[in-house]
Amino acid sequence: AQSVTQLGSHVSVSEGALVLLRCNYSSSVPPYLFWYVQYPNQGLQLLLKYTTGATLVKGINGFEAEFKKSETSFHLTKPSAHMSDAAEYFCAVSASGANSKLTFGKGITLSVRP
Amino acid sequence: GAGVSQSPSNKVTEKGKDVELRCDPISGHTALYWYRQSLGQGLEFLIYFQGNSAPDKSGLPSDRFSAERTGGSVSTLTIQRTQQEDSAVYLCASSPGQGRDTQYFGPGTRLTVL
Repeated sequence: AQSVTQLGSHVSVSEGALVLLRCNYSSSVPPYLFWYVQYPNQGLQLLLKYTTGATLVKGINGFEAEFKKSETSFHLTKPSAHMSDAAEYFCAVSASGANSKLTFGKGITLSVRP
Repeated sequence: GAGVSQSPSNKVTEKGKDVELRCDPISGHTALYWYRQSLGQGLEFLIYFQGNSAPDKSGLPSDRFSAERTGGSVSTLTIQRTQQEDSAVYLCASSPGQGRDTQYFGPGTRLTVL
C-alpha cells in the first residue's frame, strides 16, 4: 500500500524567494514518485518524476526534487519563485504491478506575492 | 502531438439523472485511468484499463458508476442516478503501456449535480 503526506494546504512566498513544498511518502515497494502542477481549471501537468538512479531530479520550469529514502521524502524546490508559479502542487506515488494507479497527497496551493 | 481530451468540459445535471463523460487518450497509449477530484476527498483513483484486458474497477465508489473502453481507445465513464456527492472534477489520464509509466492527464470534466 502507498500513501502520500503533504503537510499544510497553503504556502505563500515572495517573488524571487525560495520555494519549498514538502512531500513524505509510504510505500511497501521501491517508490516511483511524481510531482504534478495544476493551474486553475486545468488538468495535471507533470513537473518531474523519480524512478530509479540519481536521487536529485530536475524538472520543468526550474523545479527540482530530491529523493531521500532514509527520510521517506521527496520535497520540491525552486530557487527563485515567479508569479507564474502560483498553482496547486500534488505529490504522488505510483503503485507497482500492472495497475500503476497514482496515490496523491492532498495538494498544496502556492501563492506568490509581488 | 495531441494530448488527452475530455468532453464535456462542464456538465450540470439534476439529481437522479444519468451522465456520460468521455475521454480520448493519447494515440498509441494502451493504459487509461479515471480519477475523481473533489474538495473533500482530494484526488482518487476510480478505474484502470489496459489494452483489451478486463478493467480494474477497484476504485469505483458504488455500482452507480461504470466505465467502458471501446476498441482500446476512447473511454466513457457513466454515472447513473447521480447524487449531489458525485459533484467533482473527473480526470482521465493515459500512459504508454504497462508498468509505472508517466500518466498524462486531460483537462477534466467538472460535474455539478443540483
